Amino acid sequence: QKEVEQDPGPLSVPEGAIVSLNCTYSNSAFQYFMWYRQYSRKGPELLMYTYSSGNKEDGRFTAQVDKSSKYISLFIRDSQPSDSATYLCAINTGGFKTIFGAGTRLFVKA
Amino acid sequence: EAQVTQNPRYLITVTGKKLTVTCSQNMNHEYMSWYRQDPGLGLRQIYYSMNVEVTDKGDVPEGYKVSRKEKRNFPLILESPSPNQTSLYFCATWKSGDYNSPLHFGNGTRLTVT
Repeated sequence: QKEVEQDPGPLSVPEGAIVSLNCTYSNSAFQYFMWYRQYSRKGPELLMYTYSSGNKEDGRFTAQVDKSSKYISLFIRDSQPSDSATYLCAINTGGFKTIFGAGTRLFVKA
Repeated sequence: EAQVTQNPRYLITVTGKKLTVTCSQNMNHEYMSWYRQDPGLGLRQIYYSMNVEVTDKGDVPEGYKVSRKEKRNFPLILESPSPNQTSLYFCATWKSGDYNSPLHFGNGTRLTVT
């Protein structure tokens, strides 16, 4: 079993839709959860960071962690064509190691 | 401006011809790492370095070498490239010990080995 599982998509939605991106993980000891966004021909950039369980909101983006289910989510409200990118969930395991999901390709159609 | 610079951006080579991908950072970060990105597999760590002259294997180190002789540079060496090393490679840095600090990635090197 992979340590982090993420559906690679692609996911195609109309402009203005609410987008839900999800990952599951295997180790209940993980505590540092991140979402990176990667545009075409660019490196990933940190979008959201959460520690332990709960929600964190930043503008149109909400990151959610459910440690009891080992499930992490990213919600995008009022999605825009500029949100079209690959979204990678990532977990810092507490040391020098960050493990990544496979990434979900998102297309937002105008 | 904080930057991680990789060169070259694109590289096509033949099996067995040694190559080096360079990575340089201006953020004075101790930690540097190399990843490869493949469809359906995400980012997998090849090697990492916690400081000058300190390197260690990641999850997929076979066929790769690294060196860290200066803090700012962390080159990736493929001594005898093979077609299964065709991939998109990223160098990343991290401010060690600060878990609120993100990984900073370069813009990638797309390598094709024929």
